[in-house]
Amino acid sequence: GAVVSQHPSWVICKSGTSVKIECRSLDFQATTMFWYRQFPKQSLMLMATSNEGSKATYEQGVEKDKFLINHASLTLSTLTVTSAHPEDSSFYICSARDLGMGHYNSPLHFGNGTRLTVT
Amino acid sequence: AQSVTQPDIHITVSEGASLELRCNYSYGATPYLFWYVQSPGQGLQLLLKYFSGDTLVQGIKGFEAEFKRSQSSFNLRKPSVHWSDAAEYFCAVGAMDNNDMRFGAGTRLTVKP
Repeated sequence: GAVVSQHPSWVICKSGTSVKIECRSLDFQATTMFWYRQFPKQSLMLMATSNEGSKATYEQGVEKDKFLINHASLTLSTLTVTSAHPEDSSFYICSARDLGMGHYNSPLHFGNGTRLTVT
Repeated sequence: AQSVTQPDIHITVSEGASLELRCNYSYGATPYLFWYVQSPGQGLQLLLKYFSGDTLVQGIKGFEAEFKRSQSSFNLRKPSVHWSDAAEYFCAVGAMDNNDMRFGAGTRLTVKP
């Protein structure tokens, strides 16, 4: 089945540094990938939609200069948390849909998430 | 745009008991409905999905869900819960006219021995 690989699974960084998270679709091409943020014991909050070859679409309230998204190929999207602060500590999850299987009724396939801790 | 509500934040059941997790959606046309399960510190795994046909769908791990258009519901059920089913469950709704998918707030399932 479709697999999405997310790396790293956890990262600790110092305040003010930047962190890059990678999301790869391993056996399908994903023109669109989604980035979510999940707070403890809460649902997934869609941060942005990553579009291959074009700018990402950010949800309202998400700082695009803070959370840089690059979707350079059909199998890779990256999320860079710039100048990280402790309040950015969270669980970040990416997902992708294998549109080769159909239309929007295709399920999303999720990475295993990245636990970011900013000290 | 579509939306989904999971009324129960936390449910506790005894091992071997039956389970039903509620999900209500809002969307003007036929929705695409999904249930996902998330273990602590992990991503989400698809349990089952519905977009047409038989309104009772079977999924993995012995789960099933029934689409009821009249009630705008897609409740998840399992006849006999196992301790390994303890996790967070998310209902999600997609639509035929956009690439978006919206998630409910999730229901945390605790299984008592």
